Amino acid sequence: GAGVSQSPRYKVAKRGQDVALRCDPISGHVSLFWYQQALGQGPEFLTYFQNEAQLDKSGLPSDRFFAERPEGSVSTLKIQRTQQEDSAVYLCASSLAPRTSAKNIQYFGAGTRLSVL
Amino acid sequence: SQELEQSPQSLIVQEGKNLTINCTSSKTLYGLYWYKQKYGEGLIFLMMLQKGGEEKSHEKITAKLDEKKQQSSLHITASQPSHAGIYLCGADTRKSNFGNEKLTFGTGTRLTIIP
Repeated sequence: GAGVSQSPRYKVAKRGQDVALRCDPISGHVSLFWYQQALGQGPEFLTYFQNEAQLDKSGLPSDRFFAERPEGSVSTLKIQRTQQEDSAVYLCASSLAPRTSAKNIQYFGAGTRLSVL
Repeated sequence: SQELEQSPQSLIVQEGKNLTINCTSSKTLYGLYWYKQKYGEGLIFLMMLQKGGEEKSHEKITAKLDEKKQQSSLHITASQPSHAGIYLCGADTRKSNFGNEKLTFGTGTRLTIIP
């Protein structure tokens, strides 16, 4: 596709519900990132995939958060038993490929705004 | 916790005036990225800086990375309503031989342009 696509754009969940957020990266992009952006803050890193391999999940706030990218393209971020503090915008970004001594630009989707009531 | 500090947090500028936004790190910046975000939208890539002393321009926006690679500035000349939004700096703060690294972001600068 032309850009990174995320769905749904908005999600309202009752406390304790499970949610799944989808990310379609730019076609051919090897690397995929998830970030969490709280109101009035900059995005904070959650996890990183290179193709289907999850190489860094150090930013996931708890074991209720789980991400996958089984075929190296579309990724899903799942949050189990949602809590009010999970309310945020979840941003997905993709970049072309890892190369030695090169810095690749991350292109972001519009995000999913999650509200937990 | 945020490793990058942006200043000012918000800025109100009359249309046509120049402005500068700063981004400061306590760590060496191995890649510095400027993004713009509008409410309800994702981040739009503006510019990337890697080398100390580097400067890049696009239309009326100029970004610089200082020689020590710990501070960057974004300068807008003759501001227009279309420049309004939140400007975020994002950085690689870990030296790496590989291209992809997670970004650490500042808290953003909210720019308002008034007629």
